[in-house]
Amino acid sequence: EAGVTQFPSHSVIEKGQTVTLRCDPISGHDNLYWYRRVMGKEIKFLLHFVKESKQDESGMPNNRFLAERTGGTYSTLKVQPAELEDSGVYFCASSLLAGPNNEQFFGPGTRLTVL
Amino acid sequence: KQEVTQIPAALSVPEGENLVLNCSFTDSAIYNLQWFRQDPGKGLTSLLLIQSSQREQTSGRLNASLDKSSGRSTLYIAASQPGDSATYLCAVDYNQGGKLIFGQGTELSVKP
Repeated sequence: EAGVTQFPSHSVIEKGQTVTLRCDPISGHDNLYWYRRVMGKEIKFLLHFVKESKQDESGMPNNRFLAERTGGTYSTLKVQPAELEDSGVYFCASSLLAGPNNEQFFGPGTRLTVL
Repeated sequence: KQEVTQIPAALSVPEGENLVLNCSFTDSAIYNLQWFRQDPGKGLTSLLLIQSSQREQTSGRLNASLDKSSGRSTLYIAASQPGDSATYLCAVDYNQGGKLIFGQGTELSVKP
């Protein structure tokens, strides 16, 4: 069974540009999460989809970030325009179940560098 | 504020030693707790998930315990091997929705 995949693995852009990150969850997983780790900090939650609906977007830092999950399969996270402080590693995770046995499986991450 | 803390930040042990990694959380009303390992430049690998109603979970040489009253979880690794070298992360779901709050991690080095 394929795990969570993310594309690209690395992205280097200049301040003010736009970047789109993609996440493909494990097939059949309705729950999809985005997290990020900025330099020296702990991993922090960004948002949670259940199928195509945003369940919780309390961690989204500002309106420069837009996440979508059309059709309830893969998800994209767009940053427009990118700022220096957006640099970090963006992780996607998916899970099958809701409730107390909600084990999340993570992708390898996308390392974003904003110059 | 709901926080997760892992101490120490780094730990070095000789091969074969049994060791314990610590995770503490500020609010005892957790939903579940998950332990992960992360190898350099890689994603997170799920090791164990403990539901709030459980006291411990075991997988191979790993045993994770949960004590909600004291706000602590421990990850016990038996007979450590160099391949166990990685960063170990603890994450707590406080809100039943799956939003995980992570600790900073403990970087473990097992020397041959």
